[in-house]
Parts: sequence; structure tokens; C-alpha cells
Amino acid sequence: QVQLVASGGGVVQPGTSLRLSCVASGFTFTDHAIHWVRQAPGKGLEGVAIVSYDGNNIYYADFVRGRFTASRDNSKNTVYLQIKSLRDEDTAVYYCARSPYAIASAAYFDNWGQGTLVTVSS
Amino acid sequence: EIVLTQSPATLSVSPGDRATLSCRASQSLSGKLAWYQQTPGQAPRLLIYGTSIRATGIPARFSGSGSGTEFTLTITSLQSEDSAVYYCQQYKSWPPGRAFGQGTKVEIK
Repeated sequence: QVQLVASGGGVVQPGTSLRLSCVASGFTFTDHAIHWVRQAPGKGLEGVAIVSYDGNNIYYADFVRGRFTASRDNSKNTVYLQIKSLRDEDTAVYYCARSPYAIASAAYFDNWGQGTLVTVSS
Repeated sequence: EIVLTQSPATLSVSPGDRATLSCRASQSLSGKLAWYQQTPGQAPRLLIYGTSIRATGIPARFSGSGSGTEFTLTITSLQSEDSAVYYCQQYKSWPPGRAFGQGTKVEIK
């Protein structure tokens, strides 16, 4: 069955960096773009980044402003999200989600990982 | 930029009743609207895409309808496990950061 397993979250201090990972299994990884979506505690869902099937096209939400870098390694069925200069407002559960499309485009999400919690606190 | 507005914010419904959730878009979505269900501590689950197409494994008591800028998720014969927050999402356009509505919480009386 389709599985997306996100990891790499934790409690980190403001200004530091973190790399999140999302390992996929149960489907042909290169047939799908992967999205990162986050959810602050008690809040709604917010799209963060989109990575195309080959990793050559990556798009970010406006609020990212150069602090986030998404990538993928198809040899490892893994998508990454590097976050620099972490801020209090980055505290959230970060989900990876599968697009039904291969290209990086607006899409719905037919499968989601369980999420990984990032807590930015001094 | 497309903005989605969901109503009501909270809906309290008795078991066996029908729940009707609304999602309004600031411009036409050309049918590119999805609905998700999120229970506490869990990831969202896709219910409906393309306005009215049920995702794999979703019971027939969940149905979606609408067009243009007005969309509805209807849940018939409500069950206790339907207690959740429901989000609509547009996938017609960018940016990805604002693709979701703010959510409707469905409570079972």
C-alpha cells in the first residue's frame, strides 16, 4: 500500500536549521510530484512547496522567502525539506503529500504522510 | 489569488442526520475542488476531488457538488466517526500557500 513516512522534526532553537525527510513506498515514486503542507497547532492547512517527479521543478509558497529548500532523491524514494533560520511561526506539523500528477502544479493530495512536528522554541 | 471561505465554522449534528458544509471561492475553480477529513492527531484524508468524485474507499454517504464558485460537501446518515474537521481545497491555481479553506468542525451531538 502507499506509504509516506515523514521524519526529522523536533524541538529546535530560533535561528537554527532543520532537514525534514519523507520516504515513500508502495507506488512508483517517479510518477508523482510530492508536496509539503504544514499545520500550525490548532490552525488550518498551508501549502509550503511542490517538488516535481524529477526534482527539476520546485515551487514555494510566498511566505517561504528563500528560507526553505525542497529536493528529492529518486534513488532513495525520498523528498526533503530544508528549513533555515527557523522562526517561532514555523512551529507546525509538516506533512508530505502525494500529488496524482507528475509535474509540479496545483493539485489535490491523494495520500498523506503522518507528519513530523517541528517546534521552534528557545 | 483565490480565497476559499468555508461555512459554518462549526456544525453540531445528531447521529443519523445530514450535514451540509459549504465552500465558496473568490473566483471560478473550473471544478478543481477537493474535500478532506481530518480527525484529531491524524493527517488529512482525501474524500472528494474534482468537485464530486469520491476517493478510493470513501463511503457513498459522502458526496460533493457545486460549480463555479459555490461547492457543497454533504454527509448523510452521520456516524460518530464522522466527527472531524473538514477542509476544502482548490487546485486550480497558485500560490500553494493559500489553497485551503479554514475548515468546518463537525460535532456529533
